[in-house]
Amino acid sequence: KAGVTQTPRYLIKTRGQQVTLSCSPISGHRSVSWYQQTPGQGLQFLFEYFSETQRNKGNFPGRFSGRQFSNSRSEMNVSTLELGDSALYLCASSLRSGGASEQFFGPGTRLTVL
Amino acid sequence: AQSVTQLGSHVSVSEGALVLLRCNYSSSVPPYLFWYVQYPNQGLQLLLKYTSAATLVKGINGFEAEFKKSETSFHLTKPSAHMSDAAEYFCAVSDAGAQGAQKLVFGQGTRLTINP
Repeated sequence: KAGVTQTPRYLIKTRGQQVTLSCSPISGHRSVSWYQQTPGQGLQFLFEYFSETQRNKGNFPGRFSGRQFSNSRSEMNVSTLELGDSALYLCASSLRSGGASEQFFGPGTRLTVL
Repeated sequence: AQSVTQLGSHVSVSEGALVLLRCNYSSSVPPYLFWYVQYPNQGLQLLLKYTSAATLVKGINGFEAEFKKSETSFHLTKPSAHMSDAAEYFCAVSDAGAQGAQKLVFGQGTRLTINP
């Protein structure tokens, strides 16, 4: 079974631009979560989607948004990019939502904001 | 809110020696706990998880962790380190939230170095 895929793997943008990252979960998985990883803040939760509904949201500004499609694929969007948005963005999928569910991570998208 | 503290941002051991990575959690409810490993330029790979079935949890690659409620700890161990174990390790607790949604709260990570 194919793992979680994320596209693109690398992105370079300039301040003020917007970016869309894509995540395809493992087949059959209905929950998709997004995390931001930076050297200073570590791994931080962005949001979780389950059956096209956002179920949980982390403490990030409204410039960060996401959505999930009927096939469980998910996208996240960052508008008006800032230098501090440079990070590795990780997507994780799980079979169902809930605390005990194992989350399987993709390789991430490395975003660099210049 | 749940939280996790990993003691030691860097741990260095010799090949063949015991690996011990420390994790303490804070949770108001029985926690779900996880250990993940991250190799350079890769995502996170699940090593093992605790969901209250057994206090000693065995994972992949020879790793195991013991849940100790009295110490609020979930330390990761491996009896004999291998060069391929060099990576960053993250302890995480599931913070399910009011609606039962899921969210992992991660520790700051421990970078494990293996000396030949």
